[in-house]
Amino acid sequence: ETGVTQTPRHLVMGMTNKKSLKCEQHLGHNAMYWYKQSAKKPLELMFVYNFKEQTENNSVPSRFSPECPNSSHLFLHLHTLQPEDSALYLCASSQAGLAMNEQYFGPGTRLTVT
Amino acid sequence: GEDVEQSLFLSVREGDSSVINCTYTDSSSTYLYWYKQEPGAGLQLLTYIFSNMDMKQDQRLTVLLNKKDKHLSLRIADTQTGDSAIYFCAENPTGGYQKVTFGTGTKLQVIP
Repeated sequence: ETGVTQTPRHLVMGMTNKKSLKCEQHLGHNAMYWYKQSAKKPLELMFVYNFKEQTENNSVPSRFSPECPNSSHLFLHLHTLQPEDSALYLCASSQAGLAMNEQYFGPGTRLTVT
Repeated sequence: GEDVEQSLFLSVREGDSSVINCTYTDSSSTYLYWYKQEPGAGLQLLTYIFSNMDMKQDQRLTVLLNKKDKHLSLRIADTQTGDSAIYFCAENPTGGYQKVTFGTGTKLQVIP
């Protein structure tokens, strides 16, 4: 595997379900991100992890719970979601310490909440 | 807070030039980026410009930066059907990893 991978690619879940999204980066980066992409809205930064420590939480509801067990893996645990949480969830990674901060994105998980 | 605005949609004929515009609010932006998202894929960095530059050219791509008006544009010369994608403008106020603010994305449709 190369780059940034995300699983599953598609997920349909009910509002009472619990599920997790997984992201893995094979680039040796030390910063990882979760973004939410909704139609006609700016790409929304949710969480940032740097060296496994959460450094940014953009007022995300507690029904989204991130986990970063090491600098290569990032999870987003989901529970009691709402229909408006349906979106494309993108994971990205970058090398912290580089000013230019090119971010490398995974293909995303298309989440539908029914 | 930071805000990045783009129009949602642009349609051009194959072979014409495309110009995608973006405005941003943070005057301290250090880096400004254009990312491309093809269908079913994540975003990929297309090009970037450092804030002390006015223009950057890379093959068919030309980036223009007007710092006074906080306006960024991406020109694609000789647009091809393979250029059909969503193009995101983004700014990085301080440099470094933490805070890159993205726009809504502009969907470019290239008509054969």
